[in-house]
Amino acid sequence: SQQGEEDPQALSIQEGENATMNCSYKTSINNLQWYRQNSGRGLVHLILIRSNEREKHSGRLRVTLDTSKKSSSLLITASRAADTASYFCATAPTGGFKTIFGAGTRLFVKA
Amino acid sequence: DTEVTQTPKHLVMGMTNKKSLKCEQHMGHRAMYWYKQKAKKPPELMFVYSYEKLSINESVPSRFSPECPNSSLLNLHLHALQPEDSALYLCASSQPRLAGGRSTDTQYFGPGTRLTVL
Repeated sequence: SQQGEEDPQALSIQEGENATMNCSYKTSINNLQWYRQNSGRGLVHLILIRSNEREKHSGRLRVTLDTSKKSSSLLITASRAADTASYFCATAPTGGFKTIFGAGTRLFVKA
Repeated sequence: DTEVTQTPKHLVMGMTNKKSLKCEQHMGHRAMYWYKQKAKKPPELMFVYSYEKLSINESVPSRFSPECPNSSLLNLHLHALQPEDSALYLCASSQPRLAGGRSTDTQYFGPGTRLTVL
């Protein structure tokens, strides 16, 4: 079964607005990552947050992790048209080797 | 060099053809992955190689045959595929998780091969 579930499935916003995506997972994890994928292309790693961290920032990205609720959120501030892409959370379960991707959120930023 | 390259970019093949997908990285990573991704879906793990040995096979049909000739190369041999195998095939690499230490699971993806099976 899929480890990560994301919502919303799709999000459409105006340039300059903030975009928030959420991810939930089922088992204990070592870390959680967020990736971006432009249409038909490979995934690009955005940020990794470890299980003992609660919040992490990278440029316009802010990621939170709540291990008690088994959830994470990705906030993109001051969005740009170039942020239009699909965003996936990915978890590395404790004791496991493989990374499991969530269903993804499709973000569309209108100029 | 932080790039993973994949060839070809596009591949169209018949159900009786034999073809191969290639992936290469020069980041010194010792874990390499094959994923299959259908449209509007997340990547699905197919195979994982760690130190050139197959460590995970996610019950992939035998018409897909992976090969890791050395630490920089990963191949996926295709034979007798079905139309439902049409998808984007992604290769990725990472440092293997360190035993007893911090995991380093960040994966670096190639641009993918768009496969169409007729």
